[in-house]
Amino acid sequence: DAGVIQSPRHEVTEMGQEVTLRCKPISGHDYLFWYRQTMMRGLELLIYFNNNVPIDDSGMPEDRFSAKMPNASFSTLKIQPSEPRDSAVYFCASSPGVAGLLNEQFFGPGTRLTVL
Amino acid sequence: AQKVTQAQTEISVVEKEDVTLDCVYETRDTTYYLFWYKQPPSGELVFLIRRNSFDEQNEISGRYSWNFQKSTSSFNFTITASQVVDSAVYFCALSEKFTGNQFYFGTGTSLTVIP
Repeated sequence: DAGVIQSPRHEVTEMGQEVTLRCKPISGHDYLFWYRQTMMRGLELLIYFNNNVPIDDSGMPEDRFSAKMPNASFSTLKIQPSEPRDSAVYFCASSPGVAGLLNEQFFGPGTRLTVL
Repeated sequence: AQKVTQAQTEISVVEKEDVTLDCVYETRDTTYYLFWYKQPPSGELVFLIRRNSFDEQNEISGRYSWNFQKSTSSFNFTITASQVVDSAVYFCALSEKFTGNQFYFGTGTSLTVIP
């Protein structure tokens, strides 16, 4: 069974450009999470979805960040316009069942974003 | 305030030594879950264990063991007879059932096992 799939694995872009990160959760998982990992701030939960509906986006740093989940098998995290301080590894994770945050999460390999 | 504190930033041990990674958490919820994740140099995050607040039994899985003590709000992780493959960053995490909609990670402990 395939795990969480993220693309691209690496992204290098210039400041001001739009960046779209993609995630395919594990089939059958009801919850999807987006995290950001930096040396300074560690792992931060940005937003999570339950059955394609955003539940909590309080971790989204600012309006430049947006996330969507148009169906159960796909989600995007978009940054527009990107800034150098957005450089980080972005992880997508999914989780089964109704317990949501109480269940273990399965992480994708991450997307390493570099904004020049 | 930090919900999950991993005071040890970096630890180095020689292979075959035992090592304990500390995790202290803070919550007012009576129902919560604690987790440990491993992040090897390849970067992915791997789930290791989940423990709910009503189950204080220690758990052992091979060379790994976990000590959960509600009295001290700690959920420590011990690796026995460490191996080079154990070198990774280990994260402790907390999820609260009622009072939060967040999943809190600690800052991680970087473990290096020296051959």
